[in-house]
Amino acid sequence: NAGVTQTPKFRVLKTGQSMTLLCAQDMNHEYMYWYRQDPGMGLRLIHYSVGEGTTAKGEVPDGYNVSRLKKQNFLLGLESAAPSQTSVYFCASSYGGAGGNQPQHFGDGTRLSIL
Amino acid sequence: AQTVTQSQPEMSVQEAETVTLSCTYDTSESDYYLFWYKQPPSRQMILVIRQEAYKQQNATENRFSVNFQKAAKSFSLKISDSQLGDAAMYFCAYRSITGFQKLVFGTGTRLLVSP
Repeated sequence: NAGVTQTPKFRVLKTGQSMTLLCAQDMNHEYMYWYRQDPGMGLRLIHYSVGEGTTAKGEVPDGYNVSRLKKQNFLLGLESAAPSQTSVYFCASSYGGAGGNQPQHFGDGTRLSIL
Repeated sequence: AQTVTQSQPEMSVQEAETVTLSCTYDTSESDYYLFWYKQPPSRQMILVIRQEAYKQQNATENRFSVNFQKAAKSFSLKISDSQLGDAAMYFCAYRSITGFQKLVFGTGTRLLVSP
């Protein structure tokens, strides 16, 4: 079972470069999320999507854009990378049923370094 | 906004012993979900246990159990018969029953297990 797959697993960028992180899930989940994990701060929500074609801002959205053109994919883009965006990025997905206690399923993370 | 606090940055336990990780949260909601996630060095986020706030009975999953004190807004994780494989970061997380199921994470507790 693939679950949630993130591509790439590691990446080093120079300041000002752009890149896209890909998240794919094969569980037919409605909801998808992008988090970043920084030392001592836990995981913080960047953007999320409640369905194909919809996206919304989370807690720390500045400097990132997202797209959900297909239900199974959720892309996170950095248009002009900054050193402050050095972090580990996690994608997650969950069943979208209201009131359910279904957990979020996480990918293995992408370690991104901005020089 | 909800907040989750894990006041123990690091805990140590010996194999076969029991350890309790603390978590407190702040919310004005009456119904919600609470989770404990484990993050081993492999970086995966693994669901350990979940608790629905409307259930008075504490959740249990094999060697893992919680002590849920709703009035005190406390949600501690007890690991019995600790094993070397339990060594990891443990994150407490809160989720509202409304909205888009956003998870609010604590800053984590690193659990060290010695032989």
